Amino acid sequence: KNEVEQSPQNLTAQEGEFITINCSYSVGISALHWLQQHPGGGIVSLFMLSSGKKKHGRLIATINIQEKHSSLHITASHPRDSAVYICAVRRSATSGSRLTFGEGTQLTVNP
Amino acid sequence: NAGVTQTPKFRILKIGQSMTLQCTQDMNHNYMYWYRQDPGMGLKLIYYSVGAGITDKGEVPNGYNVSRSTTEDFPLRLELAAPSQTSVYFCASSLVDGYTFGSGTRLTVV
Repeated sequence: KNEVEQSPQNLTAQEGEFITINCSYSVGISALHWLQQHPGGGIVSLFMLSSGKKKHGRLIATINIQEKHSSLHITASHPRDSAVYICAVRRSATSGSRLTFGEGTQLTVNP
Repeated sequence: NAGVTQTPKFRILKIGQSMTLQCTQDMNHNYMYWYRQDPGMGLKLIYYSVGAGITDKGEVPNGYNVSRSTTEDFPLRLELAAPSQTSVYFCASSLVDGYTFGSGTRLTVV
């Protein structure tokens, strides 16, 4: 079993829909990251969370440390949101701040 | 501010050849990493460095080597390329958090 599990693996939505991507992890963590990877391959950091909730534009990320679970929400989705969304955790007491990654969620938003 | 620069973007290698993937960052980050991404799999850590002169193995180090002679540069060396090393390689740098990724190198070994 992977230490970081994402669901769903694939998600197709219509423009305007509210989208939720889930991430569960099985290890103690210091921080959780949400990343976005566009078809061209580049990876961009969206959020880093250690508790609570963060919002940036139409994106909202939440984390529940006790339940070892995080969600990424996209409000009023748009075709340009189509990308792979990746959850990654920095394990507690890890040297070098290295991350353990989930397998990613492929999101397609149709017009 | 260029961030993390990786070269080359694409490369085809024959089995047994060697090459170096270059990675340079201009943000004065102490931490640097090499990850590989295989289809349908999460990124896997190959090697990482916590500062100049200090490197350590990640999850999948076999067949690779690294060096960190300066804060800015963290090259990844492939010796005796094998088909199993066909992958997309990402270099990244960070402070404690706040990751910046390079644009990736797509490597095919034939």
